[in-house]
Amino acid sequence: GQQVMQIPQYQHVQEGEDFTTYCNSSTTLSNIQWYKQRPGGHPVFLIQLVKSGEVKKQKRLTFQFGEAKKNSSLHITATQTTDVGTYFCAGKSGGSNYKLTFGKGTLLTVNP
Amino acid sequence: NAGVTQTPKFQVLKTGQSMTLQCAQDMNHEYMSWYRQDPGMGLRLIHYSVGAGITDQGEVPNGYNVSRSTTEDFPLRLLSAAPSQTSVYFCASSRTAYEQYFGPGTRLTVT
Repeated sequence: GQQVMQIPQYQHVQEGEDFTTYCNSSTTLSNIQWYKQRPGGHPVFLIQLVKSGEVKKQKRLTFQFGEAKKNSSLHITATQTTDVGTYFCAGKSGGSNYKLTFGKGTLLTVNP
Repeated sequence: NAGVTQTPKFQVLKTGQSMTLQCAQDMNHEYMSWYRQDPGMGLRLIHYSVGAGITDQGEVPNGYNVSRSTTEDFPLRLLSAAPSQTSVYFCASSRTAYEQYFGPGTRLTVT
């Protein structure tokens, strides 16, 4: 079945440093979504990418979808303590109407 | 709008007991799903529904049943609880099968 791998599993940074998490799928994806989960909270939708090579920005966050639609990345510029949490990617293959496959997530901690 | 609500927030069961986790949404979303989250495992899809009366299995369906009699409600039933079902359970709903809105979760411990 479809597998979505996410690296790194953990990342600890000093406040102000940049952060990147990568997502790789074993199959071509029709779209990819990113979610953030604060400690003790529930996942919250951040963004969806659909087009090959798509790049979207949300303030300090930059999301990319690879040309082959099998990989994606989330980059945070100048991290802040409010960025702490686990970032998940979730992909949907073209053959499935609904099933999303989540990566295992990257836990980001920020030292003030 | 309350969004997606889940009850209970916490539950402790003994092995072999059964129970139902409740999930409701007031956004008139067609798509609803149940995930379990275990440390280091991410979110794994248990069951999902694309509308009232329609359900299907996800990645880890064994030991769980679902039904969808109304658009608003999507309960998850544990038939005979096992320690391996100790987890955090999230219900989610979606209008388009894309952006998902998650509930606050139910923390279940099976002893």
